[in-house]
Amino acid sequence: SAVISQKPSRDICQRGTSLTIQCQVDSQVTMMFWYRQQPGQSLTLIATANQGSEATYESGFVIDKFPISRPNLTFSTLTVSNMSPEDSSIYLCSVVPGAGELFFGEGSRLTVL
Amino acid sequence: DQQVKQNSPSLSVQEGRISILNCDYTNSMFDYFLWYKKYPAEGPTFLISISSIKDKNEDGRFTVFLNKSAKHLSLHIVPSQPGDSAVYFCAASKYNFNKFYFGSGTKLNVKP
Repeated sequence: SAVISQKPSRDICQRGTSLTIQCQVDSQVTMMFWYRQQPGQSLTLIATANQGSEATYESGFVIDKFPISRPNLTFSTLTVSNMSPEDSSIYLCSVVPGAGELFFGEGSRLTVL
Repeated sequence: DQQVKQNSPSLSVQEGRISILNCDYTNSMFDYFLWYKKYPAEGPTFLISISSIKDKNEDGRFTVFLNKSAKHLSLHIVPSQPGDSAVYFCAASKYNFNKFYFGSGTKLNVKP
């Protein structure tokens, strides 16, 4: 298993601003993913955070809007840029520490006014 | 194109009875299937998984069944408890585990 800490746990932001979410894992992991859960919706993969290279983004998500850093095997950040109310979601960091199970952090609940 | 589907958005069950949550998938290349439980304001919690080489996996009150020919899996919870009330997501992956596909979730309500 893995213990994943996300900061902030929640925030209320103004339209047009940016917010950076941090994800810290208690062990080194190769695979680190960022998901979004919009209200009443399923979990949607935003991107895979790759250590030492650019993140791999899913269709519909772009680096300018969701820049990601992965400076080492235990840490990553996701920035939500130029926010609008449509970005109000729970953002989740997740990892695959070993045998195939995907573990999630507690999530960062973002409300954009 | 949703490759993992949960067609029942909600399910209500009496305490002590069986809860059966269903999930269908379209991609025959999936090798690994998982169930997650999610409470409001928390991240999803891993419950149980099954490899495509098996048709059943059991862990305490939770059993997952896989029918590869029908591309269908189900989660059985016996007996159901009020604390099981949550949203349940099924997920699927290939064995490289570089991407997980999630269903839309089923909200389970276990009534005391």
